[in-house]
Amino acid sequence: RKEVEQDPGPFNVPEGATVAFNCTYSNSASQSFFWYRQDCRKEPKLLMSVYSSGNEDGRFTAQLNRASQYISLLIRDSKLSDSATYLCVVPCTERGNNRLAFGKGNQVVVIP
Amino acid sequence: GAGVSQTPSNKVTEKGKYVELRCDPISGHTALYWYRQSLGQGPEFLIYFQGTGAADDSGLPNDRFFAVRPEGSVSTLKIQRTERGDSAVYLCASSLTGDGAYEQYFGPGTRLTVT
Repeated sequence: RKEVEQDPGPFNVPEGATVAFNCTYSNSASQSFFWYRQDCRKEPKLLMSVYSSGNEDGRFTAQLNRASQYISLLIRDSKLSDSATYLCVVPCTERGNNRLAFGKGNQVVVIP
Repeated sequence: GAGVSQTPSNKVTEKGKYVELRCDPISGHTALYWYRQSLGQGPEFLIYFQGTGAADDSGLPNDRFFAVRPEGSVSTLKIQRTERGDSAVYLCASSLTGDGAYEQYFGPGTRLTVT
């Protein structure tokens, strides 16, 4: 099983609508999780951290379900500028280096 | 302040050639990571440096890949006898420490194309 799995999409979202997607992770001992945003031909940038049950930042809400080992990201009132790939990320700590394990990413296209 | 920088931004090379990719981390960051991102995939870990030493090189695909960080700042990823399958974006990231307490900041990447 891959460390982090995401359904890549694309997710075509009308402007103003809500979109949500999940990712699953394999390591039940993981304590922290991240969502990164990556624009086309750009580097990934941290969007949100998720340490307990969830986190909310404006129109973005991340939730964690430890029992089922999945993390979700919800975007409300989608803007055209939200078009990007959203990468689910789980730090791997077994070697003490916190290398990041990335999913394939969820590609979101907000349509006017 | 200045972020992570990488040079060159693009590199086209012929199969079998040797290439070097450079990463300048954020000043003062002791932890440095190299990742590789192929089209349609998320970044994949290659190697981690804590200071000058390669603390974890378990992600390097084979012995054609090697990386150094001689003074604990700039790092160079070296690829010998390049193959077409090496074509990808090579991303460098740095963080203040390697213990997970601080965010990893990514550079813009080097897009390597092997023809």
